[in-house]
Amino acid sequence: QITLKESGPTLVKPTQTLTLTCTFSGFSLSTSGLGVGWIRQPPGKALEWLALIYWDDDRRYRPSLKSRLTITKDTSKNQVVLTMTNMDPVDTATYYCAHTLGIAAAFDYWGQGTLVTVSS
Amino acid sequence: DIQMTQSPSTLSASVGDRVTITCRASESISSWLAWYQQKPGKAPKLLIYKASSLESGVPSRFSGSGSGTEFTLTISSLQPDDFATYYCQHYNSFSGTFGQGTKVEIK
Repeated sequence: QITLKESGPTLVKPTQTLTLTCTFSGFSLSTSGLGVGWIRQPPGKALEWLALIYWDDDRRYRPSLKSRLTITKDTSKNQVVLTMTNMDPVDTATYYCAHTLGIAAAFDYWGQGTLVTVSS
Repeated sequence: DIQMTQSPSTLSASVGDRVTITCRASESISSWLAWYQQKPGKAPKLLIYKASSLESGVPSRFSGSGSGTEFTLTISSLQPDDFATYYCQHYNSFSGTFGQGTKVEIK
């Protein structure tokens, strides 16, 4: 079965760079059509789509955050990494990674999420 | 960017009620819309994709309809397990935008 799990720091300081890793099983990101995305949710607020990487290394970013985000994949390790630069307290949120079955497809499997707090 | 607006923000209902949540897109998105259920402290769960297709394993009391700019999620008979927050999401090959959520509360 498909599982995903996010890992990374729980606390980062303002201006630092956040690096989150999504480790997954049950599928290969070398399979045509598949993708893994990142979504975040500030405490008590709505979900926010951040980035998506496809099997062919095509990458998509939230326009308003594009300059701060980088998404990469390591197919051999079954991992997707999201980096976000210049972290600010408003970036405090639970960060989720999720699987998508194809181009223009919904997220059908989600990780449990990891809470990242930005504070000095 | 396409904006997704859900209504209402909060809905109070009783077990057995028929519940309808609306999601409006700022421009036509064809049928590229999904609905998710989220419970406190948990990841979202996919209910509906492509506006009206029921995800495998999701109870048939959930249904979705609409195309273009207006969409609805309907729960035909609300069950205790259905009290949660529901999000719509427009998705395409370039990005995805979520609505602000609708919390379904016990009346």
